Order: sequence, then C-alpha cells, then structure tokens
Amino acid sequence: DGGITQSPKYLFRKEGQNVTLSCEQNLNHDAMYWYRQDPGQGLRLIYYSQIVNDFQKGDIAEGYSVSREKKESFPLTVTSAQKNPTAFYLCASSHPSRGRTEAFFGQGTRLTVV
Amino acid sequence: AQSVTQPDIHITVSEGASLELRCNYSYGATPYLFWYVQSPGQGLQLLLKYFSGDTLVQGIKGFEAEFKRSQSSFNLRKPSVHWSDAAEYFCAVGAGQTGANNLFFGTGTRLTVIP
Repeated sequence: DGGITQSPKYLFRKEGQNVTLSCEQNLNHDAMYWYRQDPGQGLRLIYYSQIVNDFQKGDIAEGYSVSREKKESFPLTVTSAQKNPTAFYLCASSHPSRGRTEAFFGQGTRLTVV
Repeated sequence: AQSVTQPDIHITVSEGASLELRCNYSYGATPYLFWYVQSPGQGLQLLLKYFSGDTLVQGIKGFEAEFKRSQSSFNLRKPSVHWSDAAEYFCAVGAGQTGANNLFFGTGTRLTVIP
C-alpha cells in the first residue's frame, strides 16, 4: 500500500545535538512538507519541497534543515540552534500538479530533549 | 491572509448523540476546505474535502460537512457519534493549486465521547 513512513516514532535528543528525522513516501508525490505540532497550536509549516533538489522555508524554519535528493525522501534535521525542539513532527506529501492542495500525512515522530 | 478558527477547544458528547464541530475561515477567494482527524500519537487522516460544486460533502466514517460561503463556515457533522470517534479534529483551508505549503490549519477541537 502507498503511504508515508516516518521514523523513528520516538526520538530523544540531548541538548546541543543534531538529530535527523526520516520521511519516505511511495505515493509518487512531487511535493513534501514538514510540520511541527505543539499542543493547542495546530500545525506549523517548517519546510517544504515542490521538486527534487529544491526546498523552501516555511513559517518556522529557524533551527531546522532539510534535503531533497530523491523524490521519495525528505529528511529533517533538528539542529542545536533550535531552542525548543520538543514537539511532534509530521511529514506530509501532496501532488499539486493535479490541482489539489490536500496533504497526506505520516504517523509522526515525537522528539523529546533530555 | 488565510486563517482558520475552531472556536471549540474541547467538546464532550454522549455516544449515539449528534455532533457538530465548528470551523470558520478567512480567505479572499474561493477556498479549498478540509477536515482531518488525529488519534493520539498518530498522523492526520483526511475525513473530507471541498473544492467546488455541491456545498454538502460526504466523507469517511459517516461524517459530512457543509460549506456556507455567506458565513465563511465549514462545519463538520455526524448524526450519531461512536466511541471510536474520540480524537482531535482539524479544519484546514488551502489556497488552491499551490500545494500544501499554503494549507492553514485551525488549532483543533478535541472530542470526548462518553458512554
């Protein structure tokens, strides 16, 4: 079945460390996205990529980095510059060229700073 | 600029009762509208969507929503709630064909279902 796979489901990071969250999709979607979810704040866009080798900052990109070397993969690195990284991270994909905005989501990664 | 308001942070209903979750949006053009559901610790699942045409849209799990342009609303309804419907529900508005980078989410409504 097609879908979006995020790994790991739970991730713990020590202060000052970089960590990378994995996101893989087999939906053949061109566009991929990273959102951050905090309680009571809905979802906020971190980065997005419309095509391979191109990506754009979202609303809260500071302290994060991404790469898009393959259509299927869009890993997110949470750097030590992100001051409050504890959150639930959601990866999504969509196919804008089909004229639709709907996003399909992975199951999320919960990152905790210890 | 687009925005979405879900005025109810938490709603409690009895199993078998009807449900309506409110969603108001702000957008200058014809919006694309969505309802997603999220179980604890899980990703978001699309319940239904409105792009154009019939303003009453049917979704999965027996949910429906009605687009009312005059009220800038897209309320979600279900005639009889099941215990498995307990979850968090998010309304979202999209800016057309530009992709989910222009998808704006409300802050969510948490639904509790009591026996």
